[in-house]
Amino acid sequence: EVQLVESGGGLVQPGGSLRLSCAASGFIFSSYWMYWVRQAPGEGLEWVAKINEDGSEKYYVDSEKGRFTISRDNAKNSLSLQMNSLRAEDTAVYYCVRGYCTGNRCSRPYWGQGTLVSVTS
Amino acid sequence: DIVLTQSPLSLPVTPGEPASISCKSSQSLLRSDGYSFLDWYLQKPGQSPQLLIYLVSNRASGVPDRFSGSGSGTDFTLKISRVEAEDVGVYYCMQATQSWTFGQGTKVEIK
Repeated sequence: EVQLVESGGGLVQPGGSLRLSCAASGFIFSSYWMYWVRQAPGEGLEWVAKINEDGSEKYYVDSEKGRFTISRDNAKNSLSLQMNSLRAEDTAVYYCVRGYCTGNRCSRPYWGQGTLVSVTS
Repeated sequence: DIVLTQSPLSLPVTPGEPASISCKSSQSLLRSDGYSFLDWYLQKPGQSPQLLIYLVSNRASGVPDRFSGSGSGTDFTLKISRVEAEDVGVYYCMQATQSWTFGQGTKVEIK
């Protein structure tokens, strides 16, 4: 069974930093792109960052370039999101998501339950 | 970026009646490998989004067969054959053909 368990969320002051983690199990972690998606309170969903299978390619939504860093440890089946210079508008539930495809075979994505980040003074 | 436009944004429904939601994309979602990455999610109050339909028309495991997805190119539809009270919430379409973007959401509530 595929499982994605996020951790690391919490309360942080503006300008502070936070590191989110996602523990993956039930699939070959190193074979999939991985993503972070967030949802601000009462708002819609927004893709934040993505990383390819071996960590050599990383992409970010324009608004977060330079502040957020996505990384992965395939030996530990773990995905991370380092968030710096946090702002109130970064307040959201952050979801870890497994991508669709391994090689040229595609199926469903999987989502974690999310971890809440609250940026407030 | 690909923009997804859902309609309607609010959908009052009667239990037992059918319902449908449209999702229109600003660009074709068909990739050269034949896949179209268009999913449907339901987010119930206080919960994380749950996958209903992936790759246009594939029902996720455990999803009742009253839910179905269809479409191609730029036009996609989620249909509920007979709405039940537990189907209330916000429905989102999502495309993953070119980066990932989401529709604005359609709030479904019981009349």
